[in-house]
Amino acid sequence: QVQLKETGPDLVQLTQTLSITCTVSGFSLTTYNVHWVRQPPGKGLEWMGAMWNGGGTDYNSAFKSRLSISRDTSKSQVFLKMNSLQTDDTAKYFCARSYYSSYIYDYWGQGVMVTVSS
Amino acid sequence: DTVLTQSPALAVSPGERVTISCRASESVSTGMHWYQQKPGQQPKLLIYGASNLESGVPARFSGSGSGTDFTLTIDPVEADDTATYFCQQSWNDPTFGAGTKLELK
Repeated sequence: QVQLKETGPDLVQLTQTLSITCTVSGFSLTTYNVHWVRQPPGKGLEWMGAMWNGGGTDYNSAFKSRLSISRDTSKSQVFLKMNSLQTDDTAKYFCARSYYSSYIYDYWGQGVMVTVSS
Repeated sequence: DTVLTQSPALAVSPGERVTISCRASESVSTGMHWYQQKPGQQPKLLIYGASNLESGVPARFSGSGSGTDFTLTIDPVEADDTATYFCQQSWNDPTFGAGTKLELK
């Protein structure tokens, strides 16, 4: 069945770089797209960016200067890397699947909670 | 960015009908989708394209609207529907509403 699972650190120091891996199963990264969405504690959802099935990327302009999304199709993994972390980057980070060229998320990972500490 | 405005909270009794609204700051055509999120869980897609029921979602859930005004209806509400409901638009760069917390009386 379709699964997405995020792995990454619980704690990141202020100004450091966050790296999270989304490992997928039950579908191919060359057929479906994977997006990153985050949710600060007790708050709403924020789209960060996408890895399209063709290998292209798309970013929320709010993150564009410090966010990078990449993939390894042989390992069914999508990577998020974001630098210059601040305390307001504390959030649960989700990867989610979309189909065709859409921004409709039919499957989500359980998320990884990342705290930025000073 | 397209801003989506939702009422913060609603309380209804089981068996009643509830409508959750979402207003967009500009037209998003029918590019509106609804998700249910229970505490500590990931969001779950309920409705896509304003009115299309996602596979496996009970027919108690329905969506309507186009342009700037959208609604998610649950009829009848069940105890398990206690959750926060988010709208999301995909007509422009995707944005989400702040969520409507549904509580049962």
